[in-house]
Amino acid sequence: EAGVAQSPRYKIIEKRQSVAFWCNPISGHATLYWYQQILGQGPKLLIQFQNNGVVDDSQLPKDRFSAERLKGVDSTLKIQPAKLEDSAVYLCASSFAGGTGELFFGEGSRLTVL
Amino acid sequence: KQEVTQIPAALSVPEGENLVLNCSFTDSAIYNLQWFRQDPGKGLTSLLLIQSSQREQTSGRLNASLDKSSGRSTLYIAASQPGDSATYLCAVTRAGTALIFGKGTTLSVSS
Repeated sequence: EAGVAQSPRYKIIEKRQSVAFWCNPISGHATLYWYQQILGQGPKLLIQFQNNGVVDDSQLPKDRFSAERLKGVDSTLKIQPAKLEDSAVYLCASSFAGGTGELFFGEGSRLTVL
Repeated sequence: KQEVTQIPAALSVPEGENLVLNCSFTDSAIYNLQWFRQDPGKGLTSLLLIQSSQREQTSGRLNASLDKSSGRSTLYIAASQPGDSATYLCAVTRAGTALIFGKGTTLSVSS
């Protein structure tokens, strides 16, 4: 069974530029999450989708971050304009709705903002 | 607001030792607790999932326990190996909500 796929794995941009990350969850997983992990910290939830609807985006900095999951499968997370403090690993995870709630994570996308 | 704390932040042991990693959480109304492993530059690998009605789960040399009433979980690693070196993260969730993570314990096992 294929795992959670993310791309790109690494991205370096200048501050005020924009960047987009893509995630393809495990087939059949209705719930998709984007987490931000700053070096030395645990992952922090940015947004949670159930199919193509948003369940929780309370910690998403909406002035610069946006995310969508238009067809209830793939998802894109965008940052525009980027700030230095956005340097982090962006992790995508998915889970099977109605199951045990176990989350499966992708390899992450590491963003460096210069 | 749920907070998850992991102690110690870092741990170094010689190969072969048995060790315990600790996780505590402030709100006992959890749905499940999950332990993850994270290697440098990598994503998170799920190790063990404990439902709120369970007391422990085992996988190979790993055993995780859960005491909801005291807000604690422990991850026991038997006969540690250099390949166990990684950061171990604990996370809890309520039903339908996302995981809340601790900061992790970085384990180093020397040969």
